[in-house]
Amino acid sequence: DAMVIQNPRYQVTQFGKPVTLSCSQTLNHNVMYWYQQKSSQAPKLLFHYYDKDFNNEADTPDNFQSRRPNTSFCFLDIRSPGLGDAAMYLCATSRDIGPGGYTFGSGTRLTVV
Amino acid sequence: RKEVEQDPGPFNVPEGATVAFNCTYSNSASQSFFWYRQDCRKEPKLLMSVYSSGNEDGRFTAQLNRASQYISLLIRDSKLSDSATYLCVVFSSNTGKLIFGQGTTLQVKP
Repeated sequence: DAMVIQNPRYQVTQFGKPVTLSCSQTLNHNVMYWYQQKSSQAPKLLFHYYDKDFNNEADTPDNFQSRRPNTSFCFLDIRSPGLGDAAMYLCATSRDIGPGGYTFGSGTRLTVV
Repeated sequence: RKEVEQDPGPFNVPEGATVAFNCTYSNSASQSFFWYRQDCRKEPKLLMSVYSSGNEDGRFTAQLNRASQYISLLIRDSKLSDSATYLCVVFSSNTGKLIFGQGTTLQVKP
């Protein structure tokens, strides 16, 4: 089945140790998004790619970076994780920029120790 | 002020009850509106779109009031399986992105 896959489901990293989260899609969608969702809070958009064009949200910390080497894969890099970066990280895709047709991955829950 | 505001709850209701959730949004240019459902530790999933004329999908009814910038979701005859967090979501073409509310948690009890 076509879908959005995030690996790993659970990630534990040490304070300050770089970590990379992975997202892949078989939908051939143009847009890939990364959201951060902390406990009992709204998912917050960090950035998105439209094809190869990177779009960073103004309030996304510099500590967060992203790479999209091809249509299928997108990575979230956290250069120096702090305790406040513990959250669920959700990857989503859509065919185009617009309100509908979002497909979410099952998320990666990041713990920082 | 948050762009999309919801009462976080939790709403604890017995099976069979009718429950209503409300949501307000601040961007008057918002064009599309949705309710998403999120189960504990899972990803959000689209429950239904919200249309200006109001719309119904089985036991779920969504309403939109553009003048008041207010969205609602009514769940009739609640089931245990309705227990989840319901996220109000707004899309504006001037920002080109979905904005999520923090969600309202519903717990349906036997």
